[in-house]
Amino acid sequence: EVQLVESGGGLVQPGGSLRLSCAASGFTFTSYAMTWVRQAPGKGLVWVSTISSSGGSTYYADSVKGRFTISRDNSKNTLYLQMNSLGAEDTAVYYCAKDNSPYGSGSDDSGFDPWGQGTLVTVSS
Amino acid sequence: QAGPTQPPSVSKGLRQTATLTCTGNSNNVGNQGAAWLQQHQGHPPKLLSYRNNNRPSGISERFSASRSGNTASLTITGLQPEDEADYYCSTWDSRLSVWVFGGGTKLTVL
Repeated sequence: EVQLVESGGGLVQPGGSLRLSCAASGFTFTSYAMTWVRQAPGKGLVWVSTISSSGGSTYYADSVKGRFTISRDNSKNTLYLQMNSLGAEDTAVYYCAKDNSPYGSGSDDSGFDPWGQGTLVTVSS
Repeated sequence: QAGPTQPPSVSKGLRQTATLTCTGNSNNVGNQGAAWLQQHQGHPPKLLSYRNNNRPSGISERFSASRSGNTASLTITGLQPEDEADYYCSTWDSRLSVWVFGGGTKLTVL
């Protein structure tokens, strides 16, 4: 069974940092791009960042560029999101998701599937 | 990075057909297609359709996706109470090199 389990969320003060992890199992992790998506309370889905299967290509939303860093450890089947300079606008549930393609830009049969259960990040003093 | 436009809400009756739309531009939906996701309150999203309009294994045939020009559509036939959820489209923007989501449509089954 394909499974993604996020961890690392919590309460952090404005300006602080947090590192999220996403442990993957049930599929060949090295063959697929991985993505982080967030959802603020009561709001829609917002793409955050994507990394290709090899880690050689990374993509970021403008709102997090320069503050967040996506990475992966293919030997540990784990995806990461290092978040720095956090602000209240970063408060959200953060989901990791697997793409059906090795490329960060996807392919014709792309789609984020499956998704983890999410981890809540709250930025507040 | 504004994403495709989706109507905020759609209401249809039980056993009726609902068609949800996702309107982008020639850099995203128009040349990349769109995937569709369903999200029930309190749960993570679930993929209903890949960008090429194919369904993942286990997704009901009542869900079908298509595209015409810059607009992608998700048609749900024989509406059931469990279809009441939020629906999102997602696509790659080839000019901006970013993924984008539509704002989502809340489907109410009356």
